Amino acid sequence: AQKVTQAQTEISVVEKEDVTLDCVYETRDTTYYLFWYKQPPSGELVFLIRRNSFDEQNEISGRYSWNFQKSTSSFNFTITASQVVDSAVYFCALSEARGLTGGGNKLTFGTGTQLKVEL
Amino acid sequence: NAGVTQTPKFQVLKTGQSMTLQCAQDMNHEYMSWYRQDPGMGLRLIHYSVGAGITDQGEVPNGYNVSRSTTEDFPLRLLSAAPSQTSVYFCASRRTGGVNEQFFGPGTRLTVL
Repeated sequence: AQKVTQAQTEISVVEKEDVTLDCVYETRDTTYYLFWYKQPPSGELVFLIRRNSFDEQNEISGRYSWNFQKSTSSFNFTITASQVVDSAVYFCALSEARGLTGGGNKLTFGTGTQLKVEL
Repeated sequence: NAGVTQTPKFQVLKTGQSMTLQCAQDMNHEYMSWYRQDPGMGLRLIHYSVGAGITDQGEVPNGYNVSRSTTEDFPLRLLSAAPSQTSVYFCASRRTGGVNEQFFGPGTRLTVL
């Protein structure tokens, strides 16, 4: 069975601080995918990134960066120079790549990290 | 494209009542799914469908039924609502041909009294 752990329930930072959201996953598969989603106060879920298990290259997108380390089963998310608009709940998720006949690549979510960025 | 749409946005039911949460997508996605979100528990998969006429259970299917008669629509039925089904429900879809990101609807906030 697959599992995603986001141990940080809530993080508060002051604007312009850097913040890292932790994500640790468990899976028996060698091929899998990791995702991050953002849920702002308005409630919708916004896709941020997808990473497959064969690609350990870190990724940077503007103020966002992701550090994928298979050795520690972690996929951490860093926001540089945080802004008030970054305040949201962030979810890490895992999908095993079993194809449609193998369960449809179900997505398992962590419990989320509430990020509060204050002025 | 409207993406994934859900109706209603809010609903209050009494215990024992039945209702259907509607979900539609206009992206021709084969894969659709329903999740519920509860405080401190993240999102949990209720049911999913890999194409018209094909559905299967997720992590928490009890008390819910689904059907998929068309590619576009994937309604979720509560046959006899219980207070434990008070939650926010999200419908999602994605294209097949790999593991692609899911697109989520805006959610339905359901309260069962």
